[in-house]
Amino acid sequence: GNSVTQMEGPVTLSEEAFLTINCTYTATGYPSLFWYVQYPGEGLQLLLKATKADDKGSNKGFEATYRKETTSFHLEKGSVQVSDSAVYFCALTDSNYQLIWGAGTKLIIKP
Amino acid sequence: NAGVTQTPKFQVLKTGQSMTLQCAQDMNHNSMYWYRQDPGMGLRLIYYSASEGTTDKGEVPNGYNVSRLNKREFSLRLESAAPSQTSVYFCASSEGWERYNEQFFGPGTRLTVL
Repeated sequence: GNSVTQMEGPVTLSEEAFLTINCTYTATGYPSLFWYVQYPGEGLQLLLKATKADDKGSNKGFEATYRKETTSFHLEKGSVQVSDSAVYFCALTDSNYQLIWGAGTKLIIKP
Repeated sequence: NAGVTQTPKFQVLKTGQSMTLQCAQDMNHNSMYWYRQDPGMGLRLIYYSASEGTTDKGEVPNGYNVSRLNKREFSLRLESAAPSQTSVYFCASSEGWERYNEQFFGPGTRLTVL
């Protein structure tokens, strides 16, 4: 069946470090791919998305490229800030248009 | 424009008690969803409503019922709560039932069943 696998956290970085959070997926057909972010005590909100192969989603300095050949959608940011501390979820929509979620990766940024 | 609102924010139940979680959205969205979030497991879909007047089971519907009261409101009912239903519950909505649609989430309800 369809699934999303994310790197386990927590990921701890210093401010201004480069961030990569890995996400790989298994899906039939042509899913859309998403990154959602959950700040402490809040609901999830969309960070970025890509709807077809080779698309690059970007927002707030974060980027992710839809790589069909490696079935990946890794999240990157060139210089993280303390305010980026949150839990990041990778997700895809399956053929029934339901969102399939990864387990989430907690990111901790130290000043 | 409040987005998606949920009540209550916190709830403690005893095994066997019932309760209804309320959700409302003011974005004129057609589709609404109920998820549960458990540690290390991401979100799992309980029920969804693709459009007003329809509801369907998601991945983990057992022990729950839903009502799409109108276009704005989508409630989740636990008829006889069990400790396995201790979780954080999120309601979400989207413009429509399409694979690229963004979902907007409420702040969540933290439920503990003793």
